[in-house]
Amino acid sequence: ETGVTQSPTHLIKTRGQQVTLRCSSQSGHNTVSWYQQALGQGPQFIFQYYREEENGRGNFPPRFSGLQFPNYSSELNVNALELDDSALYLCASSLTLGHEQYFGPGTRLTVT
Amino acid sequence: AQSVTQLDSQVPVFEEAPVELRCNYSSSVSVYLFWYVQYPNQGLQLLLKYLSGSTLVKGINGFEAEFNKSQTSFHLRKPSVHISDTAEYFCAVSGGGADGLTFGKGTHLIIQP
Repeated sequence: ETGVTQSPTHLIKTRGQQVTLRCSSQSGHNTVSWYQQALGQGPQFIFQYYREEENGRGNFPPRFSGLQFPNYSSELNVNALELDDSALYLCASSLTLGHEQYFGPGTRLTVT
Repeated sequence: AQSVTQLDSQVPVFEEAPVELRCNYSSSVSVYLFWYVQYPNQGLQLLLKYLSGSTLVKGINGFEAEFNKSQTSFHLRKPSVHISDTAEYFCAVSGGGADGLTFGKGTHLIIQP
């Protein structure tokens, strides 16, 4: 059974640019959540997708958007990058809503 | 809305000694509680979870935690730690459904030889 995978591992972007991060769910999981983890902090919930629909959102601006595809893989898009967007972005999948979440290794985004 | 407080940012302990990492939460609804471990430059690994039932839950790597509703706590314990337990530990709470997980700021467990 393959776990949650994320790509790319690392990414460097310039302020104002746009970025897309990708996540493949664990087999059989229909729910994907995205988190931002700044250095030295706990992860913060960005949003959650359930069966291709956004199902919940944390306190992040609209320039953070996402998609979930029919195979339940997911993308996180961030527009107009700011220096404070530099962080580890974690994707997590769960069997369905309310079940425990399993995390991928993360994508380290650096904005210069 | 939920919140999680991890009372210690760092906990140093000698190898083979017992350890307790403290976690308190607040929530207006019934909660699910989790402990995750994060090794350097890696994602989060689920250690254990409380969903319902017995308040003492056992997880991987010899860890256990006790849910105390009256004290709104979910402290993590291990009777004897090893060097390999050096990592960041996060307590998290969820109300289920669309809320996602709310994490504490983490506790860095430092094992001293």
